Amino acid sequence: GAGVSQSPRYKVAKRGQDVALRCDPISGHVSLFWYQQALGQGPEFLTYFQNEAQLDKSGLPSDRFFAERPEGSVSTLKIQRTQQEDSAVYLCASSVRPLEQYFGPGTRLTVT
Amino acid sequence: GQQVMQIPQYQHVQEGEDFTTYCNSSTTLSNIQWYKQRPGGHPVFLIQLVKSGEVKKQKRLTFQFGEAKKNSSLHITATQTTDVGTYFCAGVSYNTDKLIFGTGTRLQVFP
Repeated sequence: GAGVSQSPRYKVAKRGQDVALRCDPISGHVSLFWYQQALGQGPEFLTYFQNEAQLDKSGLPSDRFFAERPEGSVSTLKIQRTQQEDSAVYLCASSVRPLEQYFGPGTRLTVT
Repeated sequence: GQQVMQIPQYQHVQEGEDFTTYCNSSTTLSNIQWYKQRPGGHPVFLIQLVKSGEVKKQKRLTFQFGEAKKNSSLHITATQTTDVGTYFCAGVSYNTDKLIFGTGTRLQVFP
């Protein structure tokens, strides 16, 4: 079956622009996670959902970051007024808890 | 907050040599997972360890979870060029599903 998909794969934004990153999880996966991975670093937890409920958003770096999953499937991570330090790969993962997480290919965001 | 450290940061080995990466958590874990990330790729799940002192094997890979459930190791016997990548441990605390990834060990294998 289809894995986790993310779009766009690459995004270049000018500083100050808003961006929206989309994640399509594996069908039937209840849990959905967002991570930020800077170059040469491990993925850092941002937030996670169980169905449509956002159970933990402790990793969101600032109030410029917002995530939603309104119908318990597709999720969107929005970053407002992007800054250069937001440049990273944003990974989405889904799982049937409490088992392994399946990662998407990521969106590489470059803020110029 | 919870931290997960891995050593070494980098390891270069000759094909056929063994490789080990060590993972340490600042807190006791519910379980620990291991992922492999190839250059330019995304993390791919390898295994999950749940029980104190658990040892699991996958062909040339041996995974171990410490007795105190705060540390873990991954050992690869007779490395191959296909083993190249970064190996991450990821800890799961009690009462949460979120993964805290370790700092990773980047493995390079020379033929």
